[in-house]
Amino acid sequence: AQSVSQHNHHVILSEAASLELGCNYSYGGTVNLFWYVQYPGQHLQLLLKYFSGDPLVKGIKGFEAEFIKSKFSFNLRKPSVQWSDTAEYFCAVLSGAGSYQLTFGKGTKLSVIP
Amino acid sequence: AAGVIQSPRHLIKEKRETATLKCYPIPRHDTVYWYQQGPGQDPQFLISFYEKMQSDKGSIPDRFSAQQFSDYHSELNMSSLELGDSALYFCASSQGRISGNTIYFGEGSWLTVV
Repeated sequence: AQSVSQHNHHVILSEAASLELGCNYSYGGTVNLFWYVQYPGQHLQLLLKYFSGDPLVKGIKGFEAEFIKSKFSFNLRKPSVQWSDTAEYFCAVLSGAGSYQLTFGKGTKLSVIP
Repeated sequence: AAGVIQSPRHLIKEKRETATLKCYPIPRHDTVYWYQQGPGQDPQFLISFYEKMQSDKGSIPDRFSAQQFSDYHSELNMSSLELGDSALYFCASSQGRISGNTIYFGEGSWLTVV
C-alpha cells in the first residue's frame, strides 16, 4: 500500500523566512503528486500538482515543489512566508497501481509569526 | 467556476442515529471520493465511485454505505452513529480515473455525534 511521510508535524517560522516542507512516498511506480493546504476551519485547497514533465512545479501563492524521483520526494518550498500562510499542509500521492485513491500524509502545521 | 458542493455543511446527531451526507461533483466529473478527517488528523479515504459503480474501498466502517446516482451525485449513509464518527467528511471529484486527473475537494460536512 502507498504511504506518505511528512517529516515535520509543526513548523514555526517568522515572516519572510524561507520554507521547506518534506514529503516522501513509498510507491516506486508512476505517481501523481499533490500538495493541499487547509486553512483553519476550511476545506482542502490544491496548492500545486505534479503529473509529468518538468519536476519543478509552481503553484499558487508563490509555492513551488520539486519532484525527485530517485529520492521518492516531493518537497514544498516558498522563499518568503507570510502570516497568511499559517495553515496545515498535506502532501498527497495518487499511485498508478490500479487503485485510484489519494493517500495523504499526516500533515504539517505551519505557524508564521508576524 | 463550479466546485464540489456538499450538504449539509454542519450536522448534529445523537448516538445510534442515522445521518446522510450529500455530494454534488463538479459538472462533467464522473468520479467521486469520500474522505473522513478526524480532529487533528489527516484525511482518510473511505470509498470512491466511478460511473456510478464503486471503484475503490478504503477504511469505511460496515455501518456506512454510499452510492453514486445517475446524475453523478453521491450520498454517504451512516447508521448507528458513534461518538467517534464525529469528523469532517470531505467529498472530492475528478474527471475519469485516468492518471493525471486532478482531484478537487468540497468544503466538507461537519458531523458531530453527541
